[in-house]
Amino acid sequence: GDSVTQMEGPVTLSEEAFLTINCTYTATGYPSLFWYVQYPGEGLQLLLKATKADDKGSNKGFEATYRKETTSFHLEKGSVQVSDSAVYFCALSVYRGNTPLVFGKGTRLSVIA
Amino acid sequence: EAGVTQSPTHLIKTRGQQATLRCSPISGHTSVYWYQQALGLGLQFLLWYDEGEERNRGNFPPRFSGRQFPNYSSELNVNALELEDSALYLCASNFADTEAFFGQGTRLTVV
Repeated sequence: GDSVTQMEGPVTLSEEAFLTINCTYTATGYPSLFWYVQYPGEGLQLLLKATKADDKGSNKGFEATYRKETTSFHLEKGSVQVSDSAVYFCALSVYRGNTPLVFGKGTRLSVIA
Repeated sequence: EAGVTQSPTHLIKTRGQQATLRCSPISGHTSVYWYQQALGLGLQFLLWYDEGEERNRGNFPPRFSGRQFPNYSSELNVNALELEDSALYLCASNFADTEAFFGQGTRLTVV
């Protein structure tokens, strides 16, 4: 079945450090890929998305590129801030598929000043 | 435009009781998804409703059930509550294959 694997956390970085959170997927169709972020005590918010191969999603300084050849959608940010501390979830959705949004287990990021 | 709304925000129940959680999707969204997020764990898929029908369910016992109403709002019912049902329950909605939007969740505590 469809699945998402993302790097285990927690990840602790100093402010202004470079961030990479790895995400790979397995899907039977042609998925759309998403990164969601969950700030403490809140629900999930869509951070960025990509709907086809080689698309790059970007938002708030975060970027991720849909790589079909490596079935990956790694999240990157050049300079993290304390306010980026949150849990990040990689997810996929298959168009007209019978599966719902499929999420990775989440990666907790802590940014220290 | 209103987002996905869930009620109640917090719910405290005793073991063996029933809990009912509600979700109102964004206007125009026909699909509603329910997820359980237990402490320290990721999102576990519970149920998916679309156009009033159950499309898929996750690996949960039958005491977790729900329905979707004609206005696309949804209800999640948990019968015979157990302590391990304590979690944040998240609802999300979307239309077709567009991105899903999440509510703030209902925190269920079973004592």
